[in-house]
Amino acid sequence: EAEVAQSPRYKITEKSQAVAFWCDPISGHATLYWYRQILGQGPELLVQFQDESVVDDSQLPKDRFSAERLKGVDSTLKIQPAELGDSAMYLCASSSQGFQNTEAFFGQGTRLTVV
Amino acid sequence: ILNVEQSPQSLHVQEGDSTNFTCSFPSSNFYALHWYRWETAKSPEALFVMTLNGDEKKKGRISATLNTKEGYSYLYIKGSQPEDSATYLCAFPPYNQGGKLIFGQGTELSVKP
Repeated sequence: EAEVAQSPRYKITEKSQAVAFWCDPISGHATLYWYRQILGQGPELLVQFQDESVVDDSQLPKDRFSAERLKGVDSTLKIQPAELGDSAMYLCASSSQGFQNTEAFFGQGTRLTVV
Repeated sequence: ILNVEQSPQSLHVQEGDSTNFTCSFPSSNFYALHWYRWETAKSPEALFVMTLNGDEKKKGRISATLNTKEGYSYLYIKGSQPEDSATYLCAFPPYNQGGKLIFGQGTELSVKP
C-alpha cells in the first residue's frame, strides 16, 4: 500500500541549531502539505505545494523556516535557527487534487524536541 | 475567522461504553468535513469524508453524521474497545483556498479495559 514517507521519526536538537525534515509523498500526488502540531492543538498548515510551486505559505515563519520541493516530488522543510517553541510534531500530507472531497494521506511525522 | 471546534478535548471511558464527540465548523460555502483517527506513533488515518447534509457514514463500530446547515458533525463509537484509544480530529477545506484542511484541536479518547 502506498504511503507518505517521512524522516527522521524523532529529532532532538539544541536551540540555534539547524534542522531539516524530509517527506516523500505518494507517487503521483501533485499536492504536498507540511503541517505542524503543537501538543494539545490541531495540526496547522505551514506550507502547501502544487508540484514544485508554493501555493500557500502564509503561516510559515519565513525568518527561520524554509521549504522546497525542487522536482515536484519529495520535499524538505528546514528550520534555522531552531527555537524552543519549535518543539512539535511535523506532519507531511499529500493529495492528488486537494482536500475538497478526497482524504488526506499523512506520514508518521517527525517529532522535534528543541532543548 | 475560519475555526473548527471539537468537544470534549479528552474523554476517558471503560471498555464497552459507547461515546460520541462533536465537531463544529463554519456552515457557509461548505465543501466537505473530514474525520481522522490518530493513534500514538502512527499516521493520522482518514475515517470519513462527508459532503452531503444529513449524510451518515459507518465503518465498523464507528459512525458519523453531518449537518451542514448548522455546521456540526457527530462521531459515535459503539462499544468502545482499548484499540479505539486515539486522538480523533475533524477538519474542513475552506472555500476557494487551494484545498488545504483546517483542523480542530482533536478529542483524545482513552478506553480502559
